[in-house]
Amino acid sequence: DARVTQTPRHKVTEMGQEVTMRCQPILGHNTVFWYRQTMMQGLELLAYFRNRAPLDDSGMPKDRFSAEMPDATLATLKIQPSEPRDSAVYFCASARGISEEKLFFGSGTQLSVL
Amino acid sequence: QKEVEQNSGPLSVPEGAIASLNCTYSDRGSQSFFWYRQYSGKSPELIMSIYSNGDKEDGRFTAQLNKASQYVSLLIRDSQPSDSATYLCALGRGNTPLVFGKGTRLSVIA
Repeated sequence: DARVTQTPRHKVTEMGQEVTMRCQPILGHNTVFWYRQTMMQGLELLAYFRNRAPLDDSGMPKDRFSAEMPDATLATLKIQPSEPRDSAVYFCASARGISEEKLFFGSGTQLSVL
Repeated sequence: QKEVEQNSGPLSVPEGAIASLNCTYSDRGSQSFFWYRQYSGKSPELIMSIYSNGDKEDGRFTAQLNKASQYVSLLIRDSQPSDSATYLCALGRGNTPLVFGKGTRLSVIA
């Protein structure tokens, strides 16, 4: 059963530390999205890639967040330095297209920055 | 005005009743409309999509769309405790990513 794999599932870190989240999209999906979910803001789009090329990362703070897709099987989201306000659930999702209706979400990374 | 508005809830309904979840949107250029379900601690999953005005039924679920009123709804008939979850409304427009609402939390009481 094809699924998006995200690691780690949980991450607790101290303010100022670097956090790296990883995502393996479904084979054959050429669009990858990074979302952040909080109670206050809901599901926010941080960045997305098509065919490994970044198309839009306007949703994330440029000074501390970076997203890359070094190959078709791996997408990364990095926060450096992390801050308590970054505490949230981070989801990776993949799809066959940008406006593809069915996004396949990973299990998410629950990040807590103390 | 936010792009996608949903009442955060919780919406509580007794088992067997009809649950009605509503969503309004501001972008008249929206072309596709979706409902995702998210169980607590889990990731969202697509349950319904609708593209044209009217109703679309799938089992116990009915999606309703009224583009003139910029309104989309999800009806769940014969609600079950297993339907308790957060329901996210999402909109699509052209070749751009989906925009999600904050979700409505539904609680079905046995």
